[in-house]
Amino acid sequence: AQRVTQPEKLLSVFKGAPVELKCNYSYSGSPELFWYVQYSRQRLQLLLRHISRESIKGFTADLNKGETSFHLKKPFAQEEDSAMYYCALSGTGANSKLTFGKGITLSVRP
Amino acid sequence: DTGVSQDPRHKITKRGQNVTFRCDPISEHNRLYWYRQTLGQGPEFLTYFQNEAQLEKSRLLSDRFSAERPKGSFSTLEIQRTEQGDSAMYLCASTFGGGGDTQYFGPGTRLTVL
Repeated sequence: AQRVTQPEKLLSVFKGAPVELKCNYSYSGSPELFWYVQYSRQRLQLLLRHISRESIKGFTADLNKGETSFHLKKPFAQEEDSAMYYCALSGTGANSKLTFGKGITLSVRP
Repeated sequence: DTGVSQDPRHKITKRGQNVTFRCDPISEHNRLYWYRQTLGQGPEFLTYFQNEAQLEKSRLLSDRFSAERPKGSFSTLEIQRTEQGDSAMYLCASTFGGGGDTQYFGPGTRLTVL
């Protein structure tokens, strides 16, 4: 079975503080890992995925297969980063459905 | 192309009634997914299509739920004899390719069953 765990529901930080949103997963095989973000009154959208190894809006995430983790990090949070963040995984090929964590609300205070 | 669209955006119905939702994916996207999201939870997979073929259904999809994608373009999700537990946000997503490819989500249809 594939499972994604986001252990925290809410993270509140001040502007300029570092951010780390935790994500652990369970999957038998090589998963594809994603972070999706939902800003207020907007649809769910991709933030980044591990396969592209990009930094989007200053966020990075490293896949750690030993710890089965895919934590999302940003060194200096901005107020516009306030949103709901979901970690998700899929398999490859035919197993393409996304399994999401419960999500975490990031609140960045001025 | 403005992305994935869903209709209606909101639906209020009485218990026992049937409802149907529509999803229009991004043009030329061959895969279309349905998810359900309840309060405090992440989206949960319901079913997906590759072109017109329904390739996988979740155990969440009871016999009261049926989905179609007759011409490999838009899709419909029907819920028969709605129950209060069906109240949720129903999300549609599409992609071109398979696992590991970015899924693009629609705005969702919020269903309230009274």
